[in-house]
Amino acid sequence: EVHLLESGGGLVQPGGSLRLSCAASGFTFSSYAMNWVRQAPGKGLEWVSGFSDSDGTTYYADSVKGRFTISRDNSGNTLYLQMNSLRAEDTAIYYCAKLVGTSSFGPIDYWGQGTLVTVSS
Amino acid sequence: DIVMTHSPDSLAVSLGERATINCKSSQSVFYSSNNKNYLAWYQQKPGQPPKLLIYWASTRESGVPDRFSGSGSGTDFTLTISSLQAEDVAVYYCQQYFSIPFIFGGGTKVEIK
Repeated sequence: EVHLLESGGGLVQPGGSLRLSCAASGFTFSSYAMNWVRQAPGKGLEWVSGFSDSDGTTYYADSVKGRFTISRDNSGNTLYLQMNSLRAEDTAIYYCAKLVGTSSFGPIDYWGQGTLVTVSS
Repeated sequence: DIVMTHSPDSLAVSLGERATINCKSSQSVFYSSNNKNYLAWYQQKPGQPPKLLIYWASTRESGVPDRFSGSGSGTDFTLTISSLQAEDVAVYYCQQYFSIPFIFGGGTKVEIK
């Protein structure tokens, strides 16, 4: 059974940093593209970043480009999101998401339960 | 960026009746090389992560009840719930995965009338 467990969320001041982790199990982690998707309180879904397994390419939404970095440790079955220069508008539940294949150009078939990031002074 | 627009924003349907949700993309998400529409539908219930219902615009995910169906091509897509059940109360989102950024629509909230 596929399982994605996010951690690392919490309260951080504007301008601060956090590193989110997503521990994956139940599938061959190295063979699938992975995404981060966020959802601000009471709002809709926003795609944040993706990591293609097929060629190692990373992708970012304009709203986080230059501030967030996605990475993965295939030997440890873990996806990461390093978030720097955090802003109040980054406050959201951050979901780790597995795609159906190796390419980022595909649907998300599994989601974690999410980790809440709150940016506030 | 491709903008995804849902209509309506919300709808109330009687149990057993049909619910129809529309999603329009600002650019075509159809890739002629493989004859596929890069469009997915997700269901999100309160306090839960989203769940994949439909991908490639019309392919039902394994385990999804057959009352859920997707249709459309190019820029106009529809999610239909043929006979609404109480457990279908949720927000439904479309998402294009044709080009970066992989934009989600704003969602349609489905309630029981």
